[in-house]
Amino acid sequence: AQTVTQSQPEMSVQEAETVTLSCTYDTSENNYYLFWYKQPPSRQMILVIRQEAYKQQNATENRFSVNFQKAAKSFSLKISDSQLGDTAMYFCAFFTGNQFYFGTGTSLTVIP
Amino acid sequence: EAEVAQSPRYKITEKSQAVAFWCDPISGHATLYWYRQILGQGPELLVQFQDESVVDDSQLPKDRFSAERLKGVDSTLKIQPAELGDSAMYLCASSLLALSSYEQYFGPGTRLTVT
Repeated sequence: AQTVTQSQPEMSVQEAETVTLSCTYDTSENNYYLFWYKQPPSRQMILVIRQEAYKQQNATENRFSVNFQKAAKSFSLKISDSQLGDTAMYFCAFFTGNQFYFGTGTSLTVIP
Repeated sequence: EAEVAQSPRYKITEKSQAVAFWCDPISGHATLYWYRQILGQGPELLVQFQDESVVDDSQLPKDRFSAERLKGVDSTLKIQPAELGDSAMYLCASSLLALSSYEQYFGPGTRLTVT
């Protein structure tokens, strides 16, 4: 069975600082994709960053980067220079075959 | 930019009533998902379509929920009768599922309150 675990229900960070959100997953598959989605309050979910499991290089998107440790089945998200607009729920997701699996989310608050 | 459309955005209904949600995916996206998201939790897949066919509905409570995508484009999710525990956000997402992209695009959701 595929599972995604986010062990940090809530986190906060000072504006302009860096924060790391954790995600671990469990699968017996070798080929899969990992995602971080952002869901701002009362707004729709959008993709933040994507990582293909066959790529060793960690994905980056502007202020967002991941630390992908395939052997450890870990996929953390680092947000640099945090901005007020980063306040949101963040969901780690895992895709293999034809189905997505989501974690329970981390609520991030950026403090002015 | 193309978006997934959902309606209504909010729905309040009494228990035992019927309720329906509509989703229009991004044009060309063959795969459509319906998720239920309880407040404070991650999305839970209810049903997945590939074109007009159901790929996975193992988590869909079939005694009261039904979903269809008759022409392989837009989709309707129905609950009859609604129960108090159905109060949640219902999200629709679509995906191209091409080799170069497995990204899902989400709609704004329908927030259902059952009283």
